[in-house]
Amino acid sequence: EAQVTQNPRYLITVTGKKLTVTCSQNMNHEYMSWYRQDPGLGLRQIYYSMNVEVTDKGDVPEGYKVSRKEKRNFPLILESPSPNQTSLYFCASSLSQGLINSPLHFGNGTRLTVT
Amino acid sequence: AQKITQTQPGMFVQEKEAVTLDCTYDTSDQSYGLFWYKQPSSGEMIFLIYQGSYDEQNATEGRYSLNFQKARKSANLVISASQLGDSAMYFCAMRVLTRSGSARQLTFGSGTQLTVLP
Repeated sequence: EAQVTQNPRYLITVTGKKLTVTCSQNMNHEYMSWYRQDPGLGLRQIYYSMNVEVTDKGDVPEGYKVSRKEKRNFPLILESPSPNQTSLYFCASSLSQGLINSPLHFGNGTRLTVT
Repeated sequence: AQKITQTQPGMFVQEKEAVTLDCTYDTSDQSYGLFWYKQPSSGEMIFLIYQGSYDEQNATEGRYSLNFQKARKSANLVISASQLGDSAMYFCAMRVLTRSGSARQLTFGSGTQLTVLP
């Protein structure tokens, strides 16, 4: 089944404790992206990757890191999480960012709470 | 920069009736695509329908149709014959294609929470 898989679904952590949210897609998509969703703000892009070893900042990149060493994986790293990073996070992928009609396929989300 | 506006934070509709969710957009680019996503209470994001800026016909996918009015810069989602399972948050999103041929990121509106009443 074609899908984007992100783990974990739920994560509670404390301020400053490094964490990684994994994301993997099995559709051979070039483009991958991370979003955070907060009430009243919709989805905001954190980082994106056009292809392997190519990553770039989205609208809200501060406090996050990503890497794209393989086409299928795009982990999100919080080196020193803070309470304002408490949010619902989505990983997404699409065939190509250059195709305007290419929809994003989303993972099931990771609900992160930082205390 | 592009912007998506969804002015209805919440909407109610009676089961089996049709409902329109509003979406207006702002961009100076000529080539763009408009998407609608559904997010049920379980949290996943489900792609519903797509409309290209040069498409002459309104997009339809089953009970979903997109009322595209280019001059007014609106791309409203119409759900016909509402079902209880349609209760969810709905997001409108846009991607533009720049003159250089690269596509910008997908920009989302703030969403509309639809509740279908039995």
